[in-house]
Amino acid sequence: KAGVTQTPRYLIKTRGQQVTLSCSPISGHRSVSWYQQTPGQGLQFLFEYFSETQRNKGNFPGRFSGRQFSNSRSEMNVSTLELGDSALYLCASSLGPLSGNTIYFGEGSWLTVV
Amino acid sequence: KNQVEQSPQSLIILEGKNCTLQCNYTVSPFSNLRWYKQDTGRGPVSLTIMTFSENTKSNGRYTATLDADTKQSSLHITASQLSDSASYICRAGSYQLTFGKGTKLSVIP
Repeated sequence: KAGVTQTPRYLIKTRGQQVTLSCSPISGHRSVSWYQQTPGQGLQFLFEYFSETQRNKGNFPGRFSGRQFSNSRSEMNVSTLELGDSALYLCASSLGPLSGNTIYFGEGSWLTVV
Repeated sequence: KNQVEQSPQSLIILEGKNCTLQCNYTVSPFSNLRWYKQDTGRGPVSLTIMTFSENTKSNGRYTATLDADTKQSSLHITASQLSDSASYICRAGSYQLTFGKGTKLSVIP
């Protein structure tokens, strides 16, 4: 059974640009959640999607957005990139909503903003 | 504000020794607590999950404890192996997830 797949694995962007990251969940999983990981702040929850609806959102500015498609695949977009957005962005999937369900992480997308 | 504090920040132990990692949380609402292992360059992998009514959960050489009254959890690793070198992250919460910054464990021969 294939795990959570994230693309691209590595990317470099310039300040002010936007970026779109993609996540394919484990087959049959309907919940996808996104996280930002930095050395200083650790893992931080961005948002969760379940059945194409955003269920929860962390404390991030509106420049961070996402969506989920009918096949449960998800994308995350960051607009007007700032240097501080450089981070590892992790996607995770689970069978059901986050609470109480085991989540499986992908390998992440490393974003560097220069 | 929801917070999860982990200690120590980093730890070096000899192969074969035991160690204990700590996690203190102030999270509301709280329904469960998880420990993750994250190898360098990889995504986190769940080790254990505990609800507020459970106080011990084991997964092989990993044993997690939870004291819901004091809002503290610990992860005990017995007979450490070189492959245990990783970051260990504590996560508490319900529908809102709060993570600690992790403990970086290095097991040396």
